[in-house]
This record gives sequence, structure tokens and C-alpha cells, in this order.
Amino acid sequence: QKEVEQNSGPLSVPEGAIASLNCTYSDRVSQSFFWYRQYSGKSPELIMSIYSNGDKEDGRFTAQLNKASQYVSLLIRDSQPSDSATYLCAVKNDNYGQNFVFGPGTRLSVLP
Amino acid sequence: DVKVTQSSRYLVKRTGEKVFLECVQDMDHENMFWYRQDPGLGLRLIYFSYDVKMKEKGDIPEGYSVSREKKERFSLILESASTNQTSMYLCASRTGLSSYNSPLHFGNGTRLTVT
Repeated sequence: QKEVEQNSGPLSVPEGAIASLNCTYSDRVSQSFFWYRQYSGKSPELIMSIYSNGDKEDGRFTAQLNKASQYVSLLIRDSQPSDSATYLCAVKNDNYGQNFVFGPGTRLSVLP
Repeated sequence: DVKVTQSSRYLVKRTGEKVFLECVQDMDHENMFWYRQDPGLGLRLIYFSYDVKMKEKGDIPEGYSVSREKKERFSLILESASTNQTSMYLCASRTGLSSYNSPLHFGNGTRLTVT
């Protein structure tokens, strides 16, 4: 069973705050996890990937993975209005061959 | 940087027409994918290809076919377009090397309207 779940939002945060985006997945043997940002009418662009338990930081973005809880999150520090977009969680599992399973996305709105 | 180019940003076609969506990538990636994205349904895989002339059905292949005659090019074909194929179509590519941790790289998308 391949399911990736996200809260659809919208998640509204004030400018400068931390935005926390969450994703859960159903297949315990999932291996790789990716966060994509998608502006309205545009295609998804990769923000971060994570494969090991723990935190991974890249600039204002931190991805967190907890395989025991089947949970991956994305934190955006010092949120800016330009971060307003839909954030897609994607899971890669060799049981699915080359396919990725995408969550429905969380719409983030950063208010000036 | 990886560049995935889709030939059309917007297309309007009539019901019953044969429609070709073209995608080219410049990074010598083995794997190429076609997704469609619809509100409330998310990204769904139509077909993917892991090598020239090789293809695999995704989750929603009905009404579509694909062609991969050259490594850099992957075409999606709507044999007889129908209104329920109105959607955003996204092409993606991915290296086959170190495959478990390599991401998908998306093209800019083609918004297809079938009237």
C-alpha cells in the first residue's frame, strides 16, 4: 500500500516565523524522502532530500526524518512571503520500482 | 543544472485529436517520467521509461502511450484526446546511478485543455 499524507492547509504563518510542514507515509521500508516546492501554475522544484534519521539543514530549511514513526517534516525558518507555495512530500521505495509516491501537498501562506 | 524542457507550455486541442507532448533532458538521465497533476488528486504517474525503447505503465496509463527513441527524449501521446485528459502534464527525469537517493527533476509543465 503506497500512501503519503500531508495536511492540505492552508497553513498561514506570519513573516519571520517558523513554518512546519508534516508528512507521514505508510510503507515502512521507504528509503528516500524529498521535499518539493510548487508555485501556482509552475512545476515542482526540489528543496531538499533526506535518507537518514535525524535532521538535515540547508540554509533556512531543515528536513527531519523519523523512520520509526514514519514521519518526515520540513521546517522553514524566517519565513518570507516568497515562501508562499504548495509543498509536496515525495517518497521513494524500491518496491515501487522507479516511481515516487507524492503526497497531496500543503499550501503555505506567509503573511507580510 | 539539469534542464528538462517540455515543448509546449499551453496546448488547446479538440476531442478526438491525436496529441503529442514532447520532453527533452540534457543530463543523460536513464529514467524519464510523465505525470499528470489535477486539483485534489495530486501527481499521478502515467508512464515511465528506464532506457531507450523501454517503458513501464504507471498508475493511470489508459488513453496514453509513450515513445522513447532517443535517450534524451520522451514523448507522451494521447491517441484520441478526451475532455477528461484536460490537465497539467509534467515530464521528469532522474539518473539511474546511486538511484535510491537521486531526485526527480521536472520540466516546466504543459497545461493541456481538451475541448
